[in-house]
Amino acid sequence: EIVLTQSPATLSLSPGERATLSCRASQSVSSYLAWYQQKPGQAPRLLIYDASNRATGIPARFSGSGSGTDFTLTISSLEPEDFAVYYCQQRSNWPRITFGPGTKVDIK
Amino acid sequence: QVQLVQSGAEVKKPGASVKVSCKASGYTFTSYGISWVRQAPGQGLEWMGWISGYNGNTNYAQKLQGRVTMTTDTSTSTAYMELRSLRSDDTAVYYCAREGGYDSSGYFYSYWGQGTLVTVSS
Repeated sequence: EIVLTQSPATLSLSPGERATLSCRASQSVSSYLAWYQQKPGQAPRLLIYDASNRATGIPARFSGSGSGTDFTLTISSLEPEDFAVYYCQQRSNWPRITFGPGTKVDIK
Repeated sequence: QVQLVQSGAEVKKPGASVKVSCKASGYTFTSYGISWVRQAPGQGLEWMGWISGYNGNTNYAQKLQGRVTMTTDTSTSTAYMELRSLRSDDTAVYYCAREGGYDSSGYFYSYWGQGTLVTVSS
């Protein structure tokens, strides 16, 4: 099983600041990585797929990069609605996918 | 528009079984599979398995093998997830999800149900 680790576990930032979240895979997943945002009481929402493609309706302040084992989600300027938990997910051995443990972005 | 609507919350005793439904609409059910993902309180997301909407083929997470069964009813475009021999650590919100497809997000989950809380308690 491919294990994903995310860092940091918690990121405390202010609105307007830049957020940089990391996801590392235990072996190469090529570009088969996605990022999701989850708010309390809601289902996850797909932000980025195939490492760098924004999903439909996702604002341009969200961007993804990386390939192989190291990936980054960047939020260029945090809006109040961006404070949430972010999960990475790999699908290199679909349908057996795995999620990372999540990074919580909270208000400083 | 694609919608996945799940059945309501359940409370079960340890050792019992639960069956959660996920009714799909807005697309051809047999063209996509349905995955199930659960989330224990305050915890992360755990993939449980996948079922093909086309032929009912399944792929389950190893830790749930023998306790979980996923099925579909193509006549009603509904997927089901049954979990048996429930334990307290099965308490979670259970989600169904569908990949976006070749003209969207590929094999990543663009569509999610609203979640079903299953509480296991004596």
